[in-house]
Parts: sequence; structure tokens; C-alpha cells
Amino acid sequence: KAGVTQTPRYLIKTRGQQVTLSCSPISGHRSVSWYQQTPGQGLQFLFEYFSETQRNKGNFPGRFSGRQFSNSRSEMNVSTLELGDSALYLCASSPGTSGSYNEQFFGPGTRLTVL
Amino acid sequence: DQQVKQNSPSLSVQEGRISILNCDYTNSMFDYFLWYKKYPAEGPTFLISISSIKDKNEDGRFTVFLNKSAKHLSLHIVPSQPGDSAVYFCAASRSNFGNEKLTFGTGTRLTIIP
Repeated sequence: KAGVTQTPRYLIKTRGQQVTLSCSPISGHRSVSWYQQTPGQGLQFLFEYFSETQRNKGNFPGRFSGRQFSNSRSEMNVSTLELGDSALYLCASSPGTSGSYNEQFFGPGTRLTVL
Repeated sequence: DQQVKQNSPSLSVQEGRISILNCDYTNSMFDYFLWYKKYPAEGPTFLISISSIKDKNEDGRFTVFLNKSAKHLSLHIVPSQPGDSAVYFCAASRSNFGNEKLTFGTGTRLTIIP
């Protein structure tokens, strides 16, 4: 079974630009979560999508948005990039069904550098 | 507001000895706890978890202990091996009803000395 894939793996942008990151979950998984990892802050939860609906949202500004498609693939978008947005963006997938805890499987991440 | 804290940014342990990684949390609503391991240039990999109804869970060389009254959990690795050198993240969740939000600590870098 293929794992979680993220594209691109590395990205360099300048302040004010926007960026779109893509995530393909494990086949059969319907939940996709996004996290931002920065040094000293650990992994910060951005949002989670399940069946094309945003089900959970973290404390990030509206510049950060996402969506999920009918095949469960997800994209996240960051508009008007700031230097502080430089981070590793991680995507995680899980079955997403209720009743028992769903272990999350992470992709390798997209390293975004904002200059 | 850091609800999950890993107060040791780094830890060095001799190969073959026990590694103990600690984690504290402040939110009493958390009822499921996980440890993830992360190598450079890779995403975190799930290691072991524990529900709040238990105080210990064991999987091979890895054991997680949960002390609910102290809001503290620890990961024991015995014996430690060079391949265990990585960053370890503690994570917590509020419910298992399809709530996929994980709250992570800032991580502890474990170095196993051969």
C-alpha cells in the first residue's frame, strides 16, 4: 500500500506570493490533516478535512486555507506569504471514521522557504 | 499556550541502556496519547499510543507510561539502539470520535552513543 505523498518536496517563494501544496492520502483514507513544523514550535495543527468538508481548524490566520477533493486528495494554500511562513508542512491521513482512535500516517512534508 | 510540553530538547544515552523521554500536558480533556519518531527529511512515524483508561502500554522495546493525576507520560526504550537516534514527539488528542486533531509537543532529540 502506497504511503502519503506530498508535492512538491521543496519550494522557494518570495514575500507576498502565494503557494499551493498537494497531498495524496493512503488509499481508502478519507481524513487529511495538515500541520506546520517550525523549529522550537513543534508541529502545529492547521486543519483537517474529511469527505471534502473541513472538520477541524487550528489557530492560523485566514491566509492559510485548504480543500479536499472527492478522491480525498487535499491541497493547502497560503496567500500573501510572510517570512514566518517558512516551515515544513506535513500532511497526515487516516481512515477518519469514528468509534476508535484513528492513527495518522504522515507524508515526508514540503519544505517551504520564503525569501 | 503549549498544552503538551517536552521540556528536554535533547537527550544522549549509551547504546544498550534505557532511554526515558518525558512529556507533560495541561489539558485534562486529552484522553489519547501518542509518540511519534521523526528522522530528518521524513515525516513523523507512529511508535506507540496509550488511552487514558490505561497506565501502561508495551510494544517490544517501547513502553509508554501514563500518570493521569500528574498529567505526565513517558516513553521508555530498552535497550537503546543506534537506529533509535531521532526526534521524538509526544502528541495528545481530545477524543476518538473522528477528531483527528493532534496537539504535539516540541520534540526531544535522542542521540544514542555507540
